Amino acid sequence: KQEVTQIPAALSVPEGENLVLNCSFTDSAIYNLQWFRQDPGKGLTSLLLIQSSQREQTSGRLNASLDKSSGRSTLYIAASQPGDSATYLCAVWGEMKTSYDKVIFGPGTSLSVIP
Amino acid sequence: AAGVIQSPRHLIKEKRETATLKCYPIPRHDTVYWYQQGPGQDPQFLISFYEKMQSDKGSIPDRFSAQQFSDYHSELNMSSLELGDSALYFCASSLSNEQFFGPGTRLTVL
Repeated sequence: KQEVTQIPAALSVPEGENLVLNCSFTDSAIYNLQWFRQDPGKGLTSLLLIQSSQREQTSGRLNASLDKSSGRSTLYIAASQPGDSATYLCAVWGEMKTSYDKVIFGPGTSLSVIP
Repeated sequence: AAGVIQSPRHLIKEKRETATLKCYPIPRHDTVYWYQQGPGQDPQFLISFYEKMQSDKGSIPDRFSAQQFSDYHSELNMSSLELGDSALYFCASSLSNEQFFGPGTRLTVL
């Protein structure tokens, strides 16, 4: 059974710092891994999607990497800003991808960027 | 760009009442997913539909049912509501790999 964990559970950094969020999964047979951002009480915003054949994706100040064999993904945020403060969740899709597969979410990392 | 629409955004119900949540996926998306997110918890998958057929089922209580209609919108029906059903309910849609989430419906059961 797939289990997804995220470390750290919470992180507080001063503005301008570069930071790394970690996501680990127990079953390396994944099809996709997706990083989301969630603001308090709000919906989930997709940040980056990495397919199993890819090793990384970049969007602006965000870079996500995927190492299937070790069951890990990292989300790198460069030059953090107070507006980056949110909870970041990673989610994995099972390998036998059809459109039906459910997604397993990690518990999230709560990020606070201090001005 | 069009996003996933959910209605209502907020809903307050009494115990043992019923509730219906609606989801309108992004146009041309063929798959809809429902998730439940309790306070301080990560989203838990409930059920999904592909081309109007139920495609997968997660931790959805028997008191809940859902369907996807011919116009691809989906409804989550919740009966005999319990206090523990209070949560944020998300709908997501996808066409291929990436899921796009709606803003959620916040259900409060009193």
